[in-house]
Formats: sequence, C-alpha cells, structure tokens
Amino acid sequence: SQQGEEDPQALSIQEGENATMNCSYKTSINNLQWYRQNSGRGLVHLILIRSNEREKHSGRLRVTLDTSKKSSSLLITASRAADTASYFCATDGGANNLFFGTGTRLTVIP
Amino acid sequence: KAGVTQTPRYLIKTRGQQVTLSCSPISGHRSVSWYQQTPGQGLQFLFEYFSETQRNKGNFPGRFSGRQFSNSRSEMNVSTLELGDSALYLCASSLAAGANVLTFGAGSRLTVL
Repeated sequence: SQQGEEDPQALSIQEGENATMNCSYKTSINNLQWYRQNSGRGLVHLILIRSNEREKHSGRLRVTLDTSKKSSSLLITASRAADTASYFCATDGGANNLFFGTGTRLTVIP
Repeated sequence: KAGVTQTPRYLIKTRGQQVTLSCSPISGHRSVSWYQQTPGQGLQFLFEYFSETQRNKGNFPGRFSGRQFSNSRSEMNVSTLELGDSALYLCASSLAAGANVLTFGAGSRLTVL
C-alpha cells in the first residue's frame, strides 16, 4: 500500500501547548500535503510542501519534510480548542492521485 | 464562491440495493475525485474524472462506478450493496487533474443494513 502512516494515532494536549504529529510514507513523492478533518466532515487542505522544500510555514502551522527518511512533521503552535480534529498527510507517491495516511486525532483541552 | 456540494448527506439502504451519490464541484474546477472513508481502511481513492473522462481508478470492484457530466458535476453509483460499503463517501474537486490540492465536500454517509 502507498498509504502513509501518522504518528501518534491520538494526541491530547492543553490549550496553548504545541502539537506535533508525524507522517511516514513509502514511495518517492512530488509533494506532500496536510489536511484537517473535523468529526464526520470533509477534509480541509492546510498546506503543501514540495519534495525540494525542507520546511514551510503557514500561520501557526510549520511543516517539515525529510525525503531521505520519507517523513514529514506538522507542528501546530499555541493550540486552540478549535484545532481539535483529525489530521492527515497525503502523498502522490508518483501516481496521479493522492494517498492519505491513517490520521492523527488531536484533542485540545480548553 | 460555493464549495463542493454533495447530496444526499445521509442515506440508509439495504443489502442488494443500489445507490447514486451526487457531487457538484467548485465552479471552474474540472476534476472530481471520489474517496471512501471507513474506520478500518481509512481514506481510499475510488476514481477521478476530468472533462467527462475517468482518468484514474482505485482498487475497488466493478460495483463501484461513476461518471462526469459536461458541467463537471459527477455521480458515483454502487450496485448490489454490501454491509461493508457502509462509509463516508467524499467528493473532492480541483482545477486540474492529478495529485493536486483538493477541495472536499462534506460527504455522503451511507449506511447499509
């Protein structure tokens, strides 16, 4: 399977703390994306990082990519209760569609 | 502008029946992709349509089919429903075909009894 895996599967933190989740994938990629999904809803695109980039920022989000280790991390700083959701990484794996990881369920406690 | 619209949002069917789900992409988006999401298998790619042509297909049986109309709206159909088809079916659109940034709809939750 080309599906990535997120780690940890679940994460619970206090509001104001930082949250870090990791994604590992199996094949070479052109880019890697992160999406957020609120319970039972559609996914929302957060950020895209290309294979030739090592780090990217967007607001409170910081994404890193290490293609040699086939891994990426998503850092959410100063978390808020509204950040409670599942987070998925998605890769193209050289194909013409996205393969989504298994997701990290983040709970931010007010 | 309006987002991706999926109908119906919820539906209940029985084994052996068929179901048709509809997706209206963002205006101007010509690519529509479908994903199945279940607790056990996660998000799995079903197929992608671009300019009324199926460009890519995931590893699903022939009971799963789809089509795209000239206005880019898409439908997917599942025939001879099985219990394991119970899932959240997500539609996503993008400007171009391929592994691009996707805009998802809220999904259609199918329950098969």
